Amino acid sequence: DQQVKQNSPSLSVQEGRISILNCDYTNSMFDYFLWYKKYPAEGPTFLISISSIKDKNEDGRFTVFLNKSAKHLSLHIVPSQPGDSAVYFCAASVTGANSKLTFGKGITLSVRP
Amino acid sequence: DTGVSQDPRHKITKRGQNVTFRCDPISEHNRLYWYRQTLGQGPEFLTYFQNEAQLEKSRLLSDRFSAERPKGSFSTLEIQRTEQGDSAMYLCASSESPREDFGSGTRLTVV
Repeated sequence: DQQVKQNSPSLSVQEGRISILNCDYTNSMFDYFLWYKKYPAEGPTFLISISSIKDKNEDGRFTVFLNKSAKHLSLHIVPSQPGDSAVYFCAASVTGANSKLTFGKGITLSVRP
Repeated sequence: DTGVSQDPRHKITKRGQNVTFRCDPISEHNRLYWYRQTLGQGPEFLTYFQNEAQLEKSRLLSDRFSAERPKGSFSTLEIQRTEQGDSAMYLCASSESPREDFGSGTRLTVV
């Protein structure tokens, strides 16, 4: 049972435009959400996170939006750059005893120069 | 501190052999996690340590897998009698908050 879903396996955007990566979750106990970026042969690198008490968090070119009623979050990258090309994972956790992360399958973002 | 360190980066082993991976977490982090990632999937949780105590193990962690974290510092993950299905990227992460910091992983190939 996939509790975190990234339904689009890939996304291609033009440099300078906005990239919107979507993520859905089914477990209503999740209260902390994270986005990680991963290059081949490397481990995931933390990008940005959001607590369930917020609906938006911004860090430079990256903004994460959370819609709790829809159990949906999205990552916006503006403007997109070729160096943003990577696999992006959405992850969720229940803060508390162990806070283990549940990941989606990832989405491959390609930013065309 | 240079982040989470994992060794080796790559391991090729014959089916039936035992392998051991090492993870050195960020020094001030008392939580340590192991995940496994296969092609086309996101990382999947294997086990969790709070200091030296192993507090949770996933159903993915069969009896052939064992993890330790002596003295609450580095951790090892051992796989006994490896099978081809064990081929994957094994990721270690450490944390002192909901955010987890990952190492570069160990790529295991069982031939």
